[in-house]
Amino acid sequence: DQQVKQNSPSLSVQEGRISILNCDYTNSMFDYFLWYKKYPAEGPTFLISISSIKDKNEDGRFTVFLNKSAKHLSLHIVPSQPGDSAVYFCAASYGNNAGNMLTFGGGTRLMVKP
Amino acid sequence: KAGVTQTPRYLIKTRGQQVTLSCSPISGHRSVSWYQQTPGQGLQFLFEYFSETQRNKGNFPGRFSGRQFSNSRSEMNVSTLELGDSALYLCASSLTTTSGNTIYFGEGSWLTVV
Repeated sequence: DQQVKQNSPSLSVQEGRISILNCDYTNSMFDYFLWYKKYPAEGPTFLISISSIKDKNEDGRFTVFLNKSAKHLSLHIVPSQPGDSAVYFCAASYGNNAGNMLTFGGGTRLMVKP
Repeated sequence: KAGVTQTPRYLIKTRGQQVTLSCSPISGHRSVSWYQQTPGQGLQFLFEYFSETQRNKGNFPGRFSGRQFSNSRSEMNVSTLELGDSALYLCASSLTTTSGNTIYFGEGSWLTVV
């Protein structure tokens, strides 16, 4: 049972345009969501997170939106840059003693074309 | 501030051998968790340690074990290696085990079993 899903395995965007990466989850217990960027054979790099008490969090070019009723979150990157090309993972966690037990989606490969 | 440090970065082992991977968390972080990334299964949680105690465990066989030392450094061990254990093993650290903490990953240890 995949509790966190990223239904688009890949996304191609032109430089300067908006990139929108989507993530769906099924476990209503999740209360914290994180986005990571990853290059092959390297560790994930933390980008941005959001708590379930919020519906939006912004950090520079990155904005994450959370729709709890739809169990859906999205990461917006504006403007997209070629250096943003990587695999993006959303992850979710919950609980006071399981907060670091992240459940990851399958990832979306973003390609930003110059 | 130094990030999460993992050693070794790359290693090749023979089927049936055992391997030990090491992780030094970010200074001040007391929670260390381990993840396995494979092409087929994605990023999966192995276990988490906090204050030298295993707090959570993922769905992996008993051949996978770990420990945490008093300085928060952690090791994971895989015994009787199988070809399917070939993967990128990632260590992550955070301040506590409570959901809502940012979780930072190391560069990973790439294990190849032949």
